[in-house]
Amino acid sequence: GAVVSQHPSWVICKSGTSVKIECRSLDFQATTMFWYRQFPKQSLMLMATSNEGSKATYEQGVEKDKFLINHASLTLSTLTVTSAHPEDSSFYICSARAFVGGNEKLFFGSGTQLSVL
Amino acid sequence: LAKTTQPISMDSYEGQEVNITCSHNNIATNDYITWYQQFPSQGPRFIIQGYKTKVTNEVASLFIPADRKSSTLSLPRVSLSDTAVYYCLVGPLEEYGNKLVFGAGTILRVKS
Repeated sequence: GAVVSQHPSWVICKSGTSVKIECRSLDFQATTMFWYRQFPKQSLMLMATSNEGSKATYEQGVEKDKFLINHASLTLSTLTVTSAHPEDSSFYICSARAFVGGNEKLFFGSGTQLSVL
Repeated sequence: LAKTTQPISMDSYEGQEVNITCSHNNIATNDYITWYQQFPSQGPRFIIQGYKTKVTNEVASLFIPADRKSSTLSLPRVSLSDTAVYYCLVGPLEEYGNKLVFGAGTILRVKS
C-alpha cells in the first residue's frame, strides 16, 4: 500500500504560539490531501481539503486563518495551527488518495497529538 | 452523501469470527464501500473495499448484498490485537476523500 508520513507524532506548546504539522506521501504523489481532527472518543472530522498548487478548501466552521494549509509540492502538505489555544488541543490526522490495487483508496498518517497549555 | 449506521460496540473472544454490519440505505450507484480500522492515537488503516458481492483479502472479507443497502465486514478468528474502532465509509471514488464522512464507528473489544 501507499505510505503517508506525518510529523510530529505529538507536540506540546504554549498558548498563543503556532505549531506546524507535516504530512508527506512517501511513495506516491498526492495532488489532494485531507486534514482531520479527532477529539477523544469521537470520530474523525474533516477540516479541509489540501490541493497542490492552489488554495485549500475548508469545511464549514473551520477557520482558514487559524488553520493554515500549504500544499506546495506533490508529496507534502502542512497544517499550521496559528495562535494555538487549549481548545485546539486535539488529534490531527492527514490522509491522501492513492491508486492501489485497482482503485483509489485513502491512506492516513499516524496522527499528531497536539496539547496546548 | 450516503449516511452509514453501525453498532456502537461489539464484544468478542479470541478465535471467534466477528461480523460487523453497516447500513447505508441511500447508497448511490457510483459509491464504493470501504472499511477502516483505527487503534487509539493512530490514523485509520485501510482494511477492505468493495462495490458488490464479496471481496476477500488477507485480513478480512466484505459481503455486499445485491441491493447494496448494507455491508458486512467479517474478521476471521480475531485476536486481542483486533481490538479497535472500525469505520464503514461510503462514497464515490472519483471524489474520494472529500466526500467521505466518518460515522461513529464500531468499537470492537476482543477478550481472552
